[in-house]
Parts: sequence; structure tokens; C-alpha cells
Amino acid sequence: DAGVIQSPRHEVTEMGQEVTLRCKPISGHDYLFWYRQTMMRGLELLIYFNNNVPIDDSGMPEDRFSAKMPNASFSTLKIQPSEPRDSAVYFCASSLGSLAAFFGQGTRLTVV
Amino acid sequence: GDSVTQMEGPVTLSEEAFLTINCTYTATGYPSLFWYVQYPGEGLQLLLKATKADDKGSNKGFEATYRKETTSFHLEKGSVQVSDSAVYFCALSPWGSNYKLTFGKGTLLTVNP
Repeated sequence: DAGVIQSPRHEVTEMGQEVTLRCKPISGHDYLFWYRQTMMRGLELLIYFNNNVPIDDSGMPEDRFSAKMPNASFSTLKIQPSEPRDSAVYFCASSLGSLAAFFGQGTRLTVV
Repeated sequence: GDSVTQMEGPVTLSEEAFLTINCTYTATGYPSLFWYVQYPGEGLQLLLKATKADDKGSNKGFEATYRKETTSFHLEKGSVQVSDSAVYFCALSPWGSNYKLTFGKGTLLTVNP
């Protein structure tokens, strides 16, 4: 398996623009997670899905953030409008049940 | 709420030195404990885990023992290599829910030849 695939790897956008990050989990995994990594706050769980259904979005910082999982092989994290403080590395991870999560390589987002 | 505290980095060692990275946690019940490693430009990879008190997780020469009495899960390796240079994260997931990982801030390890 190719592992968790995220795109794009790098994204630079202007403040106020919409940003969409994409994730393809490992085939057969039933949990999908979105994390954000910053120097100040470390790794934070934003939201996770089980069988395509959002279970816990308490980590989503604001209404500007939204995540969807329309099917078992695809998820998006959208920021609209983006702000400079959203600059971070965003990781997607997937797991099979309670087994260990596998992480993608991340998307480095820079909002200028 | 749950939290994980790791020793501050960076840690710089010479090849073949002994490594310890301290990790303590705060959580209710009996969480599962993990060490993840992040190589430059990569995502996190599971290094080892332990799911109950006194369990020892081990992988690639790294070890960590789940100590309930001291709420600790320190990472050790007897002889580090240059290829071990990476950021190491201690993490926990709540008892009964191995889904939501809470991470420590990470410790950067640099091993010099």
C-alpha cells in the first residue's frame, strides 16, 4: 500500500483565500484523523472520522475550518477565509480500529 | 484533561552514546502510551507502544516501559546511530478509546558521527 497520501505537499496562499487540503487514507482503514502541527502548540487533533462520519470536531479552531469525508477513500480539510495564524503543517492519519495510526507526509501551509 | 510532558530538546549525542528521553503523562484511568518518530520532511511513524502498566514496548533497539506509579514512559536506546536523528514524540490515548492521541511537544535528537 502507498500509505496515507496528502496533497498538496506545500501551499502558499494569500490571506482571505480559501484553502483545501486533501487526504487519501490507507485502503481498509476505518478511522481518519486531521492534525495540525505548529511550533507553539505542537501536534493538535482537529477532527476525526469513523466510517466517514465525523465523531469529534472539538479541536477545530473556528468556523473557518471545515472537514468532510464523502467516501472511505477521500477527505478534505477546508479553511475559508485563511489567515496568517493558520500557517502550520497539517497531517492526515488513518487507522484500522484501535491499531496504531499511520500518518501522511503532511501539507505545509503558509498564509501570507 | 489529558496531557503529555517531554523533556525539552534539542538533544545532541555522539554515535554509540546512550539515549534517554523522558516522558510523563497526566490522564485518568489506564491510557495507552506511544512513541512516534518524525524524520525530516516526513510524517510521524509509530516507534513503539504499551497498553498496560509494566508493559515494555520495543522496536529497532528502542525501549520504553509503562510505569503507572510514576506516570512515565521514558524512551531509551543503548547505542544511537546517526540515522536515529529525528524528532521523537511521546503520546497517549485515553483508556477505552485508542483513537484520540494527545502528543507531547516533541524532542529533537541529533546524533553526530
